[in-house]
Amino acid sequence: QSALTQPASVSGSPGQSITISCTGTSSDVGGYNYVSWYQQRPGKAPKLLIYEVSNRPSGISNRFSGSKSGNTASLTISGLQTDDEADYYCTSYTSSATLLFGGGTHLTVL
Amino acid sequence: EVQLVESGGGLVQPGRSLRLSCAASGFTFGDYAMHWVRQAPGKGLEWVSGISWNSGAIAYADSVKGRFTISRDNAKNSLYLQMYRLRAEDTALYYCAKDKFDDFLYGMDVWGQGTTVTVSS
Repeated sequence: QSALTQPASVSGSPGQSITISCTGTSSDVGGYNYVSWYQQRPGKAPKLLIYEVSNRPSGISNRFSGSKSGNTASLTISGLQTDDEADYYCTSYTSSATLLFGGGTHLTVL
Repeated sequence: EVQLVESGGGLVQPGRSLRLSCAASGFTFGDYAMHWVRQAPGKGLEWVSGISWNSGAIAYADSVKGRFTISRDNAKNSLYLQMYRLRAEDTALYYCAKDKFDDFLYGMDVWGQGTTVTVSS
């Protein structure tokens, strides 16, 4: 299976909002509400930001929000901070009963 | 403290086998699904395999199906990944991760620091 499609990079200025898309098919993103998002800083393990499309684990800032429309899920980060600079990955459950990651998006905070 | 500690990585020749382990602590291991996720050097994350709380549901990525076997021992709070017929493209940092719930659908909320597997002659 091919990875879910994410933009390779996005950028924004402190205080701004950015949105990262994650596009799949009706066999994964579009077919299930099991999309999650992760933040990974260099040399560190990933960190769960969003699960089941739009739920935030405890301790995750409400600046991070998730949504889905059709075959595309989105992660929005509002009030950008320099500390948000990292790689971001989406995953989705699939009709093959597997999980599929997106290719990852590098966020630069200018 | 909730913690996952992977072990068992190393340098292995193509075609050989290796077994990874993940020791869990700080939570009721047997209540949660678990995953293996890998990251090749300089590349993105790749889901490798998942196992439900009671081993009733198990799945693999196509890239490892038929070569890797995931298992768990709830009495020992441990997760395993037996890897056979290793290839150069299996070279990666292998993470153990806990799911939020009892099946491997929801999201991986606890991660280990990973163990490195290098497949090379």
